[in-house]
Amino acid sequence: SYALTQPPSVSVSPGQTASITCSGDKLGNKNACWYQQKPGQSPVLVIYQNSERPSGIPERFSGSNSGNTATLTISGTQAMDEADYYCQAWDSSTAYYVFGTGTKVTVL
Amino acid sequence: QVQLQESGPGLVKPSGTLSLTCAVSDGSVSSAYWWSWVRQSPGKGLEWIGEIYYRGSIYYNPSLRSRLTISVDKSNNQFSLRLTSVTAADTALYYCARVNRKGYFYYGMDVWGQGTMVTVSS
Repeated sequence: SYALTQPPSVSVSPGQTASITCSGDKLGNKNACWYQQKPGQSPVLVIYQNSERPSGIPERFSGSNSGNTATLTISGTQAMDEADYYCQAWDSSTAYYVFGTGTKVTVL
Repeated sequence: QVQLQESGPGLVKPSGTLSLTCAVSDGSVSSAYWWSWVRQSPGKGLEWIGEIYYRGSIYYNPSLRSRLTISVDKSNNQFSLRLTSVTAADTALYYCARVNRKGYFYYGMDVWGQGTMVTVSS
């Protein structure tokens, strides 16, 4: 079955850039989304269609997707960005959704 | 803004049936969105369970398909999940979510419920 792999953790200093990768076979051929989940809260969509931001999501969140890797980038990371982040892809041929393994972002 | 609220028993016995409902408010389950269930085992990641469209189209996670039924109740503006023959492995926080998807274009799960914890234990 299709799988998406993320690094377990990423550490970043306040104001710096955090990059989170998501790897999957031919992921660039699918639309990737990213979700932010803070402790005790429901996931929040922060990126859809690889690089689009929903209304209300700060501009410091950006995304890209090419080849086998999608990347979520947080520029000028703030303490409030400390959370778990999950990538997700939808396989249109099987109507099956896959979530990545998740990455814990720590703002030191 | 549409809101989702999960409800159902918090404790289910092994081999029993897990049944949850997601109430849709400030919106209609009959609108042009798909409606999904997602679960998260304690301390683990997210797992997609299945989804439904109000006209009756349904897709299931293949790993759960044999035990799973998802249905929609348009008159009560809600959709439901039924999972049979549960084991401890089904213990999880269950979320319902709205899926923004039009044809082959996917725009993400843009609204989530707060989640409801279900424990499978005797």
